[in-house]
Amino acid sequence: DAKTTQPPSMDCAEGRAANLPCNHSTISGNEYVYWYRQIHSQGPQYIIHGLKNNETNEMASLIITEDRKSSTLILPHATLRDTAVYYCIVSSSGSARQLTFGSGTQLTVLP
Amino acid sequence: DAGVIQSPRHEVTEMGQEVTLRCKPISGHDYLFWYRQTMMRGLELLIYFNNNVPIDDSGMPEDRFSAKMPNASFSTLKIQPSEPRDSAVYFCASSLGWVPEAFFGQGTRLTVV
Repeated sequence: DAKTTQPPSMDCAEGRAANLPCNHSTISGNEYVYWYRQIHSQGPQYIIHGLKNNETNEMASLIITEDRKSSTLILPHATLRDTAVYYCIVSSSGSARQLTFGSGTQLTVLP
Repeated sequence: DAGVIQSPRHEVTEMGQEVTLRCKPISGHDYLFWYRQTMMRGLELLIYFNNNVPIDDSGMPEDRFSAKMPNASFSTLKIQPSEPRDSAVYFCASSLGWVPEAFFGQGTRLTVV
């Protein structure tokens, strides 16, 4: 599975959009991009996933560049409860079977 | 549904003792995963089951670790004998089908002294 690179930390003002970048320049054609987050002292929580089209659900939007070498997770109106470590994962597996969690981005939403 | 339930939430044990971690997946889910999280290694998959059958245990670190799923609503992860390097947070997760959305429990924080 392709390796991902994320900034170690980011801040965002409450109510503003949080844009979390992820680089995955070695991604191959059959690999999906997944995003999970982990709030302190809790288990990881699935957010969204995509292959090449942009995706949106009730939690977030996922924007994947045309060459698929990078993506951005967008939380449109960040709240204090969105403070967490966000993991970008690339995997050819269509299940949680092969989710390799790296170090992620610590997002801190500031009041 | 109450979600994935793990017990105990915290466990402190002495080196050499047997430790058993428990997990109740979400009702109806057919996949169950055991993960371990440490600062050094991050979150690692240990083993996963499909319909109560172990499918891939390649992530289990040593023979000291064993996992069972006697029925669809219960799984255990046992460490015997435990060692200080086993100290970590152990997560259980379940999913319905071969999908990327897995639901994680709150985890068990294991400390081996």
